[in-house]
Amino acid sequence: DGGITQSPKYLFRKEGQNVTLSCEQNLNHDAMYWYRQDPGQGLRLIYYSQIVNDFQKGDIAEGYSVSREKKESFPLTVTSAQKNPTAFYLCASSIATGVNQPQHFGDGTRLSIL
Amino acid sequence: AQSVTQLDSQVPVFEEAPVELRCNYSSSVSVYLFWYVQYPNQGLQLLLKYLSGSTLVKGINGFEAEFNKSQTSFHLRKPSVHISDTAEYFCAVSETAGGFKTIFGAGTRLFVKA
Repeated sequence: DGGITQSPKYLFRKEGQNVTLSCEQNLNHDAMYWYRQDPGQGLRLIYYSQIVNDFQKGDIAEGYSVSREKKESFPLTVTSAQKNPTAFYLCASSIATGVNQPQHFGDGTRLSIL
Repeated sequence: AQSVTQLDSQVPVFEEAPVELRCNYSSSVSVYLFWYVQYPNQGLQLLLKYLSGSTLVKGINGFEAEFNKSQTSFHLRKPSVHISDTAEYFCAVSETAGGFKTIFGAGTRLFVKA
């Protein structure tokens, strides 16, 4: 079955540590996205990528970094510069870059601070 | 810039009763509209979408929504809910021109009681 796989499901970060969240899709989608979800705030866009080797900042990119070396993969690194990283992180993809395309989501990674 | 307001943060309802989850948007151009559902500790799944054409849109699991351009609304309805409909529901909007972003509302938690 095609879909989006996020790993790990739960992740703990120590102070001063960078952590990387994995996102892999086998839907052959061009566009991929990372969102942060906090209670009562909906989803906020961190980064998005329309094609391989290209990505753009979203609304809350500070303290995060991404790469898009392969079409299937869009890992997110939460750096030590992100002072409040505790949240639920969702990766998504869509067929193409048009905003009429619905997004397909992974099951998320919950990040907590130790 | 577009924005989305979900008017109720929580909606409790008894099983087999009808429900309406309200969504209003703001945009200076035409929009595409989406409703997604999120079950606990999972990603979002598309319920339905309005791109053009008929203003009454039918989705999965017996849900439907009506696009009202004059009221700038896209309310989600179900005539008879089940316990299994307990979840969080997100309204989302994308502008048809100029931009590559989907804006999500803050979510409405539907709680179906026996």
